[in-house]
Amino acid sequence: KNEVEQSPQNLTAQEGEFITINCSYSVGISALHWLQQHPGGGIVSLFMLSSGKKKHGRLIATINIQEKHSSLHITASHPRDSAVYICAVRARGRSQGNLIFGKGTKLSVKP
Amino acid sequence: GAVVSQHPSRVICKSGTSVKIECRSLDFQATTMFWYRQFPKKSLMLMATSNEGSKATYEQGVEKDKFLINHASLTLSTLTVTSAHPEDSSFYICSAPIDRGGETQYFGPGTRLLVL
Repeated sequence: KNEVEQSPQNLTAQEGEFITINCSYSVGISALHWLQQHPGGGIVSLFMLSSGKKKHGRLIATINIQEKHSSLHITASHPRDSAVYICAVRARGRSQGNLIFGKGTKLSVKP
Repeated sequence: GAVVSQHPSRVICKSGTSVKIECRSLDFQATTMFWYRQFPKKSLMLMATSNEGSKATYEQGVEKDKFLINHASLTLSTLTVTSAHPEDSSFYICSAPIDRGGETQYFGPGTRLLVL
């Protein structure tokens, strides 16, 4: 079993729909990252969380440390949101860049 | 905002040749940079931590003689894949934390390497 699990693996949505991507992890963490990877491969860091909730535009990320779970929500989804969304955690005691990555959730938003 | 660049974005080479990939922090200094590798349909995996002015730290299973890392300045780290083989074909990404000990990292756009 991977230390970081994401669900769903693939997600197809219609433009305008509310989207939720889930991430569960099995290790104690000091931080959790949500990343966006576009078809060309480049990665953009969306959020870094250690507790609570963060919002940026139409994106919202939440984390529940006790339940070892985080969610990424996209409101009013748009075709340009189509990408792979990756959850990554920094396990407690590991060095800064030693992130454990989930396998990603491939999101496709249809017009 | 802070940006990390990589060059080249794509490289095709013959088996046995060496390939150098550059990672630059464009408007901030990075004493540490991280190199990751992503095989098709697999998760990103940390290969090594590049430290300015000292030797890189390699993760278990990563050959230091094959993947040479040089962190020559506070804004530049290079990864050289020596004597590349087809199994080295992968997507290589670097990242740099915005500040020492900080959690926020900026990722480069990645370099796709294909070894024929």
